[in-house]
Amino acid sequence: AQTVTQSQPEMSVQEAETVTLSCTYDTSENNYYLFWYKQPPSRQMILVIRQEAYKQQNATENRFSVNFQKAAKSFSLKISDSQLGDTAMYFCAFIIQGAQKLVFGQGTRLTINP
Amino acid sequence: NAGVMQNPRHLVRRRGQEARLRCSPMKGHSHVYWYRQLPEEGLKFMVYLQKENIIDESGMPKERFSAEFPKEGPSILRIQQVVRGDSAAYFCASSPSSGQGIPYGYTFGSGTRLTVV
Repeated sequence: AQTVTQSQPEMSVQEAETVTLSCTYDTSENNYYLFWYKQPPSRQMILVIRQEAYKQQNATENRFSVNFQKAAKSFSLKISDSQLGDTAMYFCAFIIQGAQKLVFGQGTRLTINP
Repeated sequence: NAGVMQNPRHLVRRRGQEARLRCSPMKGHSHVYWYRQLPEEGLKFMVYLQKENIIDESGMPKERFSAEFPKEGPSILRIQQVVRGDSAAYFCASSPSSGQGIPYGYTFGSGTRLTVV
């Protein structure tokens, strides 16, 4: 079975701090894509960052970066210099190459405090 | 270039009524995906459609739920005889063709929140 586990239901940090959200996944496939989505109270699903499993280099998008450990099936998200606007639910997800279904984790509710 | 458009944004139905959720894909996209998000959970795949074809409905409940994507017009997710457990946010995503959306994680609409009272 293909699953995604986010072990931190909630996290809270002060503005400007760095925070890391954990994600582990399970699949027997070798080629897949990993994603982090942000869901603010507006409910919109916003793609934050993506990683191809065949790339060893960790993806980076401005203040967002990932730590991708393929052997450990781990895909954590680091947010640097956190801002109030980063407050949201964050979902880790993956999709197998050639498949059509995104598999999501349960989410982590992140609160950035002023 | 409008994104994926879903309406209504909020829908309230009494138990036993029918709910119709609409999704207009991005311009030029002919593939539509529906996901359901139960309260405090992640999104779960329901169905994948191309124009006039259901490709994969493995995530659809066996009864009361149906989906279509006609040649003209939006994709419709239909829930008959709604029950309280159907209360959720329903999201639609689209892609230009099979596989093209995958590396980019698709583009989602803003969802329809269905509340069954």
